[in-house]
Amino acid sequence: DAKTTQPPSMDCAEGRAANLPCNHSTISGNEYVYWYRQIHSQGPQYIIHGLKNNETNEMASLIITEDRKSSTLILPHATLRDTAVYYCIVRARGGSNYKLTFGKGTLLTVNP
Amino acid sequence: NAGVTQTPKFRILKIGQSMTLQCTQDMNHNYMYWYRQDPGMGLKLIYYSVGAGITDKGEVPNGYNVSRSTTEDFPLRLELAAPSQTSVYFCASGRALSSYNSPLHFGNGTRLTVT
Repeated sequence: DAKTTQPPSMDCAEGRAANLPCNHSTISGNEYVYWYRQIHSQGPQYIIHGLKNNETNEMASLIITEDRKSSTLILPHATLRDTAVYYCIVRARGGSNYKLTFGKGTLLTVNP
Repeated sequence: NAGVTQTPKFRILKIGQSMTLQCTQDMNHNYMYWYRQDPGMGLKLIYYSVGAGITDKGEVPNGYNVSRSTTEDFPLRLELAAPSQTSVYFCASGRALSSYNSPLHFGNGTRLTVT
């Protein structure tokens, strides 16, 4: 799997958009970008994933650059409950890779 | 729908004791995983299973054993507990890899302390 690079921490004001970046410069054509988050002391929670098109669901939007070497997770109106560690993961579809590799992620702190 | 259930939530073991961490899922997922997370660190894969009767090692399998006799259950066994195994353990499950939309579902963890 391609490695990912994320800032260790970010702050955001409540009600504002939170934009979390991720670099995955060695991503290959069949690899998806997944985002999970982990609220303190809970298990990780799936947020969104995409291949090359921008994606949106009820939780967030995922913007992937045209060269696919980086992506941004957008929480449009951050709340205090969005304070968590956010993990960007690259994973191949199909083949023999059954595993997700979690790095250290980005600690997002939403401030009142 | 309970999702992924882990028991116990907390456990304290003495060095050399054994225990089994239980994990069960009710989503009929083929794929199941065990991760450990040390304080301030990311998740590391211990073992995984792609179906009943099939298991394989992850990044940090030493000191652990698993079995998968049913689709629903994937217990993790610690035979001789060591302080280095103090960690939070997460079980996860997912659908077949060939499914496009196949995120992992995680349990809420077992917090294990070995003293």
